Amino acid sequence: GQNIDQPTEMTATEGAIVQINCTYQTSGFNGLFWYQQHAGEAPTFLSYNVLDGLEEKGRFSSFLSRSKGYSYLLLKELQMKDSASYLCAVRDDTGGFKTIFGAGTRLFVKA
Amino acid sequence: SAVISQKPSRDICQRGTSLTIQCQVDSQVTMMFWYRQQPGQSLTLIATANQGSEATYESGFVIDKFPISRPNLTFSTLTVSNMSPEDSSIYLCSVKREDSNEKLFFGSGTQLSVL
Repeated sequence: GQNIDQPTEMTATEGAIVQINCTYQTSGFNGLFWYQQHAGEAPTFLSYNVLDGLEEKGRFSSFLSRSKGYSYLLLKELQMKDSASYLCAVRDDTGGFKTIFGAGTRLFVKA
Repeated sequence: SAVISQKPSRDICQRGTSLTIQCQVDSQVTMMFWYRQQPGQSLTLIATANQGSEATYESGFVIDKFPISRPNLTFSTLTVSNMSPEDSSIYLCSVKREDSNEKLFFGSGTQLSVL
């Protein structure tokens, strides 16, 4: 089976940096995604890590350690529009390609 | 990117009835999936819609309750059968394209309320 853990909620201040952690256990792991979901909208893709290390994309960076079953999403220079849910998801190829989502972390950015 | 049209966007239904949700993609895609997102929760995979064959269901979901069709590479339907209030949720169509670096694209969702 699969197990994905991430904090339920986080609060940060505009202009600051926030790190959202995710730990996972899955048998057919083949990559980790981060998605952003604003209230009432569909999720949108942020990042995909397959190999260990840090992937940087503008204000957002994502890190993966396969041996530790651990990832984080780093958001820099926070803006109010970054208030959203951030979903950690793993690619599990057991029985065929599928993406399994964690419960999500609701981020509140305050002025 | 992929343009995904999902309809209806929302519906209010009586218990015991069925609703069919349609998902149309603007280009051929390799894989299509149906997810459910209950209020305040994350996404739960219902099934993988296979073109020309029976869908592959995840644990806890069965074909009699959630029949799925995928007659071609750009279209799929999900039916929620014999609905109860517990089926009230957002249902999302999702696709994976061959050239999309494994990421998923999502339709705008169908918000279903069962009375």
